Amino acid sequence: DTEVTQTPKHLVMGMTNKKSLKCEQHMGHRAMYWYKQKAKKPPELMFVYSYEKLSINESVPSRFSPECPNSSLLNLHLHALQPEDSALYLCASSHPTEQGPNEKLFFGSGTQLSVL
Amino acid sequence: GENVEQHPSTLSVQEGDSAVIKCTYSDSASNYFPWYKQELGKRPQLIIDIRSNVGEKKDQRIAVTLNKTAKHFSLHITETQPEDSAVYFCAASAPIRGNYGGSQGNLIFGKGTKLSVKP
Repeated sequence: DTEVTQTPKHLVMGMTNKKSLKCEQHMGHRAMYWYKQKAKKPPELMFVYSYEKLSINESVPSRFSPECPNSSLLNLHLHALQPEDSALYLCASSHPTEQGPNEKLFFGSGTQLSVL
Repeated sequence: GENVEQHPSTLSVQEGDSAVIKCTYSDSASNYFPWYKQELGKRPQLIIDIRSNVGEKKDQRIAVTLNKTAKHFSLHITETQPEDSAVYFCAASAPIRGNYGGSQGNLIFGKGTKLSVKP
């Protein structure tokens, strides 16, 4: 299995809802990432988990809460989002290489999120 | 921190022509430079990458060149085909230490180039 799988593919939620995005990979990668991508813009890093521990938090608002239950799964819990949070949320994974740190990212297909 | 500039923002070529997209970066510690292709509504896909100890890399119709001194790198696509039409993102990565030791790349993306190949 050489894929990163994300569910759901589409999500519409109100500002008072609580929802979760899920990501799964079975490539044995030990780093997993959440990116946010607005239309016609590049992906922006939100969080990095390395060996199931939160390694990087790019100053993301607390209404986004990541969770890494095990080395294959990554969740993003959403609560009290704003309409400007509407975007494509991409999960990615990577694995250490002989040349050094985890860099070669494999992206999932993303969850298109709309906040009403 | 790292800043990646990408040009042009849009590029239209005739099928069979070559296309060149250029990026510059600011952090001399960056040592990994991937290029991603993203078709409309799909995931970014890695098409080629290069490390700072290499000046050029080629994979069939796609090549990447890196000039470390000038801090710029370029994507070259030859014999373009309509299926090459997509948004292309360059990125640069400087290793950073996470909260729990070890290090991982921190990809900073350029703003993207929308390539249109006309049949």
